[in-house]
Amino acid sequence: NAGVTQTPKFQVLKTGQSMTLQCAQDMNHNSMYWYRQDPGMGLRLIYYSASEGTTDKGEVPNGYNVSRLNKREFSLRLESAAPSQTSVYFCASSSKGAAYSNQPQHFGDGTRLSIL
Amino acid sequence: EDQVTQSPEALRLQEGESSSLNCSYTVSGLRGLFWYRQDPGKGPEFLFTLYSAGEEKEKERLKATLTKKESFLHITAPKPEDSATYLCAVQVSDYKLSFGAGTTVTVRA
Repeated sequence: NAGVTQTPKFQVLKTGQSMTLQCAQDMNHNSMYWYRQDPGMGLRLIYYSASEGTTDKGEVPNGYNVSRLNKREFSLRLESAAPSQTSVYFCASSSKGAAYSNQPQHFGDGTRLSIL
Repeated sequence: EDQVTQSPEALRLQEGESSSLNCSYTVSGLRGLFWYRQDPGKGPEFLFTLYSAGEEKEKERLKATLTKKESFLHITAPKPEDSATYLCAVQVSDYKLSFGAGTTVTVRA
């Protein structure tokens, strides 16, 4: 069972270049998320998609765009990469649980992105 | 502002030496507190969800407890394979989690 799959695993970009990070889940989950993880800081939510057809900003959305392509796939795009976007990016998914709590989020193994 | 603080930042243990990790939080109306394990180069792996004060969950050598202001992850008689970073997160809205920075545990044989 693959769970959440992220591609690529590693990427080096030059400042100003663009790229799209891909994420797919095979757990039939409704909700999907993009986080970044930086040293000494907790995971920070960039964007999320509560269900197919909807996307919303998280804590740190500036410089990013997302697309919920279908129920399985959720991509993150950097239009003009900046060194401050050097980070490890994680995609996660969850099913919708009880009214006031979600089922746990399940994470992929991340994309390590360096911007020079 | 919702905040999650984990302590200590790092913990070095001898095999068999039990210890506890702390996660203190300030959130208006806790909907759930999650513990994850993260190995180097991997994504976080779900361990436990706690919903209400007094609740406890166990898995092998790990036991998570919850009070109104903090959660503890107790590691009993740890083994080297328990070495990892342990992350705590609180549910702050329907779709948003607030994560702590994590505690990195190293268990020496």
